[in-house]
Amino acid sequence: QSALTQPPSASGSPGQSVTISCTGTSSDIGGYDYVSWYQHHPGKAPKLMIFEVSKRPSGVPDRFSGSKSGNTASLTVSGLQAEDEADYYCSSYGGSNNRYVFGTGTKVTVL
Amino acid sequence: QVQLQESGPRLVQPSGTLSLTCAVSGGSVSSHYWWSWVRQAPGKGLEWIGEVFHSGLKNYNPSLKNRVTISMDKSKNQFSLRLASVTAADTAVYYCARDMGVAAGGPTWEHWGQGTSLVTVSS
Repeated sequence: QSALTQPPSASGSPGQSVTISCTGTSSDIGGYDYVSWYQHHPGKAPKLMIFEVSKRPSGVPDRFSGSKSGNTASLTVSGLQAEDEADYYCSSYGGSNNRYVFGTGTKVTVL
Repeated sequence: QVQLQESGPRLVQPSGTLSLTCAVSGGSVSSHYWWSWVRQAPGKGLEWIGEVFHSGLKNYNPSLKNRVTISMDKSKNQFSLRLASVTAADTAVYYCARDMGVAAGGPTWEHWGQGTSLVTVSS
């Protein structure tokens, strides 16, 4: 079971935008509209930020948005704030035999 | 608001069995949600281990399938993880989580425990 591929790091100044990519295959990201994104501050529980590619759970700011094209999903954080500095993981449904897979993770730094 | 709390030993012997429990409050494990275990090894990313549904249905990560058992105790409102034949590669922080149920599809873990302290496999 191979992890989805994310860039190790991304950064931006406060107020700017940052976009994180998540690349999989036609068996996971490309095959289903079941991609989620998690924010993870070290030592805390991960937090669901986006589900079903582009939907936000209640309470998640609309600065966070998701999209997908082919086998690649993306998370965009607009209007960066200091508290957005964290690790971000994508995750996708991979079918009945390989149900869920995470991405390799991206560390977002707010400069 | 549902809350999850992991518990279990912090040190496990190599070749032994890692056993963790997730106690659920503010909700019932008998409700229509999938209950999962996720782990993070030091310096590594998140890894989904497996899940259980109240009907007894279970799904496991293929890479761990031969060593993992996830079970549910409805009378105690908790679910558990057993990982057999552990090695140093199983050293990690372990999280339990609950998905969004029928409200959404895919990996929608909306509720998480705080995670165990680092569970170390060592003699």
